[in-house]
Amino acid sequence: SQQGEEDPQALSIQEGENATMNCSYKTSINNLQWYRQNSGRGLVHLILIRSNEREKHSGRLRVTLDTSKKSSSLLITASRAADTASYFCATAPKGGGSNYKLTFGKGTLLTVNP
Amino acid sequence: GAGVSQSPSNKVTEKGKDVELRCDPISGHTALYWYRQSLGQGLEFLIYFQGNSAPDKSGLPSDRFSAERTGGSVSTLTIQRTQQEDSAVYLCASSPFQIGETQYFGPGTRLLVL
Repeated sequence: SQQGEEDPQALSIQEGENATMNCSYKTSINNLQWYRQNSGRGLVHLILIRSNEREKHSGRLRVTLDTSKKSSSLLITASRAADTASYFCATAPKGGGSNYKLTFGKGTLLTVNP
Repeated sequence: GAGVSQSPSNKVTEKGKDVELRCDPISGHTALYWYRQSLGQGLEFLIYFQGNSAPDKSGLPSDRFSAERTGGSVSTLTIQRTQQEDSAVYLCASSPFQIGETQYFGPGTRLLVL
């Protein structure tokens, strides 16, 4: 099964509202990353949070990480129609010489209605 | 600074034909990765290069798949005797030497095997 599992699978909100997406994982991680994908093409890196960090901000994005629960959340505030995309979390495993191997979840499809 | 580029953008081929997919990473990035994204699936790791060497080929689904990288730069993913189940978006990413960090993705090649 996927290391990262996002929920919900799909989320539809109105412009201006906040969107929260969650990610759970199974094994110890070095870091967790969030990516955005528009229209099934290339992924754009949004934010990286390390295993010793609990919260990180970047513009309208806020990411939290709870390593005891093996979960992370991505909050997008004041959403815009342009935020419509699929959002994926990806985990980099801790140690073992394989921390290059990001494991992605299946993503959350966010639709922001104007 | 140019990002990761991939060619072709789209490829339609007949079952049984061979295809080559090309990736040009960001200049100076020593690590290069190939992923596959099938309809409704998350991203599946295929292979990782450090320089011209591929320390991890574990994600290649069968011996019909191969990849090489020359000059520490351009990489080619070759699929021989394509099958319909090979239809997917093939994504390439690169990162600086410090693996396990942010990966920068190309726009992908959408492969359709008829």
